Amino acid sequence: AQTVTQSQPEMSVQEAETVTLSCTYDTSESNYYLFWYKQPPSRQMILVIRQEAYKQQNATENRFSVNFQKAAKSFSLKISDSQLGDTAMYFCAFMPNFGNEKLTFGTGTRLTIIP
Amino acid sequence: DAGVIQSPRHEVTEMGQEVTLRCKPISGHDYLFWYRQTMMRGLELLIYFNNNVPIDDSGMPEDRFSAKMPNASFSTLKIQPSEPRDSAVYFCASSPRQAAKQYFGPGTRLTVT
Repeated sequence: AQTVTQSQPEMSVQEAETVTLSCTYDTSESNYYLFWYKQPPSRQMILVIRQEAYKQQNATENRFSVNFQKAAKSFSLKISDSQLGDTAMYFCAFMPNFGNEKLTFGTGTRLTIIP
Repeated sequence: DAGVIQSPRHEVTEMGQEVTLRCKPISGHDYLFWYRQTMMRGLELLIYFNNNVPIDDSGMPEDRFSAKMPNASFSTLKIQPSEPRDSAVYFCASSPRQAAKQYFGPGTRLTVT
């Protein structure tokens, strides 16, 4: 079974700073998908970014980017120029390869952006 | 598009009662997922459907839980009888194809007293 580990329960940074959230996972699969989801206080789950394991290029989405290290099974999320609206719980998630839609989530990191 | 719609948003019930949670996925999405979120266990996938057919129900905690998808635009998650440990936020999500972004509904907060 796959496991996803987020070792930082809480983090806080000043507005406009850059912050990196870490995630590691364990799998025997060679092809899979990784995701970062954001859950603000409204409770809504929102996809931040998606990475396909067979792609070497790190995914980026505006101020959000990932550092995907396949050999190390590491998938960190970098938020640049952080904004107050980035305050939320962030969940890393793993999906096995094509044909299995089961998402396994980490325990989350609570990120607070300080004005 | 209205997004994934869940009802009710909040449900308070007494132990032993039947609870039914409802979900309307985004039109055209082939996959529907039910998740549960608790402080102790985090976010867990309970079951998912592809084209109205249950594919993986290994996350359903016990026989008290059942889920149905009678058509492409409606799904239910039923708990009978409910217990206090079922208190959680239940999310429904849908996605348009394999390995795609999942769109989550706003969740139903269930409290069983």
